[in-house]
Amino acid sequence: QIQLVQSGPELKKPGESLKISCKASGYTFTDYAMQWVKQAPGKGLQYMGWINTQTGKPTYADDFKERFVFSLETSASTAYLQINNLKNEDTATYFCARRGGYNPFAYWGQGTLVTVSS
Amino acid sequence: DIQMTQSPPSLSASLGDKVTITCQASQNINKYIAWYQQKPGKAPRLLIRYTSTLESGTPSRFSGSGSGRDYSFSISNVESEDIASYYCLQYDNLRTFGGGTKLELK
Repeated sequence: QIQLVQSGPELKKPGESLKISCKASGYTFTDYAMQWVKQAPGKGLQYMGWINTQTGKPTYADDFKERFVFSLETSASTAYLQINNLKNEDTATYFCARRGGYNPFAYWGQGTLVTVSS
Repeated sequence: DIQMTQSPPSLSASLGDKVTITCQASQNINKYIAWYQQKPGKAPRLLIRYTSTLESGTPSRFSGSGSGRDYSFSISNVESEDIASYYCLQYDNLRTFGGGTKLELK
């Protein structure tokens, strides 16, 4: 079965960096782009962008063009989200997600909670 | 990026009510709008895609309509299991979620 398994929760200080992983299984990793979604505590879903798993080319939504980096380790069927120069407002759960059929977000990781606090 | 303005942010309904949520896009999205339901601690679930096509397993009390920039989503005969947050998503150009609507019981 298709699974997206993300790395565990993170507690960071402002100004630090972190890298979240999303390991895919149950399908050919390079057949589908990987998307990233942010959800701040008690808030809505925010689309961050996607990475082409064949070429490695990332596309970022406007709010995520600074400090956010999508990358891949194709041999390990893993996508990464790196956040640099962390700010308090980066405190959120971050999801990786993949489309399926006609569903733009058919499969989701379990989410990674990132807490930024001094 | 396309902006999606969703309203209302919250909704209070009694069981059996009909409720409607609207989303307005900042430009024509050619009916490429989907509606998701999210319950606490869970990933969102697709209910409706391409404006009005019910996903398999979506009860018929859910419906969607619209065109151009303006879209709506309705639940007729609200049931207790419908208490959740709802999000529109445009997928015509990249993706953008609406701000969400939290449906609560009156």
